[in-house]
Amino acid sequence: AQSVTQLGSHVSVSEGALVLLRCNYSSSVPPYLFWYVQYPNQGLQLLLKYTTGATLVKGINGFEAEFKKSETSFHLTKPSAHMSDAAEYFCAVSGVGGGGNKLTFGTGTQLKVEL
Amino acid sequence: EPEVTQTPSHQVTQMGQEVILRCVPISNHLYFYWYRQILGQKVEFLVSFYNNEISEKSEIFDDQFSVERPDGSNFTLKIRSTKLEDSAMYFCASSVDGESPLHFGNGTRLTVT
Repeated sequence: AQSVTQLGSHVSVSEGALVLLRCNYSSSVPPYLFWYVQYPNQGLQLLLKYTTGATLVKGINGFEAEFKKSETSFHLTKPSAHMSDAAEYFCAVSGVGGGGNKLTFGTGTQLKVEL
Repeated sequence: EPEVTQTPSHQVTQMGQEVILRCVPISNHLYFYWYRQILGQKVEFLVSFYNNEISEKSEIFDDQFSVERPDGSNFTLKIRSTKLEDSAMYFCASSVDGESPLHFGNGTRLTVT
């Protein structure tokens, strides 16, 4: 079975500051890991994913995440926050077999960006 | 860029009524899914569908739920007799194959009164 824990349901940063959204996972098989973003009244949009290979993955809008097996973490970062980054962010892990389709989500982190 | 579209965006129904939530997946995608998110809770997997049959379903997906691909474009979720606890945002998703990332629609907010 898989599970995801996102620490901090709400994170607030100043524009231009570092964004760090935390995600820890549990998986009995090698995981596929994902970050999705949800803007108000919109669906879930894939930011980035880790399957195999390089542990530092880059996504859209300047976000990146690093898979750390020893820490069972997949934290999302962005060097400099922009007002348009305000949204809800979901970390997810794939189901058994490593497929990218059946996802187990975390509870989400609402990111607020202040001037 | 092709999108997954869902209708309606918001549906209000009375307890015990049947509802059908509609989705049009991306045209060349072969795998289809429904997820739901109860307010303030996690996004949860409901069901996956491939080759005109359910490939996997969660414990939530009981006999009150059914899915169908009635034609070449639509993918529907039916709740036969709605309960208050069915109130949630329902997301449809599709993928090219069973390994590719999902493309989600904007969701249908179902309110059961």
